[in-house]
Amino acid sequence: GESVGLHLPTLSVQEGDNSIINCAYSNSASDYFIWYKQESGKGPQFIIDIRSNMDKRQGQRVTVLLNKTVKHLSLQIAATQPGDSAVYFCAERGYGGSQGNLIFGKGTKLSVKP
Amino acid sequence: GAGVSQSPRYKVAKRGQDVALRCDPISGHVSLFWYQQALGQGPEFLTYFQNEAQLDKSGLPSDRFFAERPEGSVSTLKIQRTQQEDSAVYLCASSLGLDTQYFGPGTRLTVL
Repeated sequence: GESVGLHLPTLSVQEGDNSIINCAYSNSASDYFIWYKQESGKGPQFIIDIRSNMDKRQGQRVTVLLNKTVKHLSLQIAATQPGDSAVYFCAERGYGGSQGNLIFGKGTKLSVKP
Repeated sequence: GAGVSQSPRYKVAKRGQDVALRCDPISGHVSLFWYQQALGQGPEFLTYFQNEAQLDKSGLPSDRFFAERPEGSVSTLKIQRTQQEDSAVYLCASSLGLDTQYFGPGTRLTVL
């Protein structure tokens, strides 16, 4: 079936380094993507989103890149800090009759070493 | 401003009991979503409201699950005759339309 998935389940980086979290999606008709950060015991926290008519979008220390040719999404975190340690999920908006819901991948756990 | 709030934060139920989980969305948000998150997994869609209308309930796992939003603001997810497999975190999210969804802290349900 069509789904959103992640290339790497875990990622460990040194404080101050840049982090890149990758995500693959399978539905070429998807038009909206979103990244969430989830800390233990909390709900997903919005980080950044991007529409399919864009290739790149920047926020504060974060950048999302969308490559529609290979159906790939990535989240770049600059100067990673210990507070960035969490599980990161990418999600795409549902399609067909379920355009309201988000379809999530399994998540990537980011660990930042001080 | 205030975000999405959910109550209770934790709920322990004996198998067979009914439970009700509450969600207070961000004021003015038209859309409200319920998701179920199993341990170590991403959230999975349950149901979606636009104002008081339930437009999609395709993710509800069985007829024991029921959701309502009678006045277009607060929503309740009810699970009847709870089973052990219902143990999960139940997340509520709201949005102005169909784009950015803002999540609450979730209710962790444990069925014994």
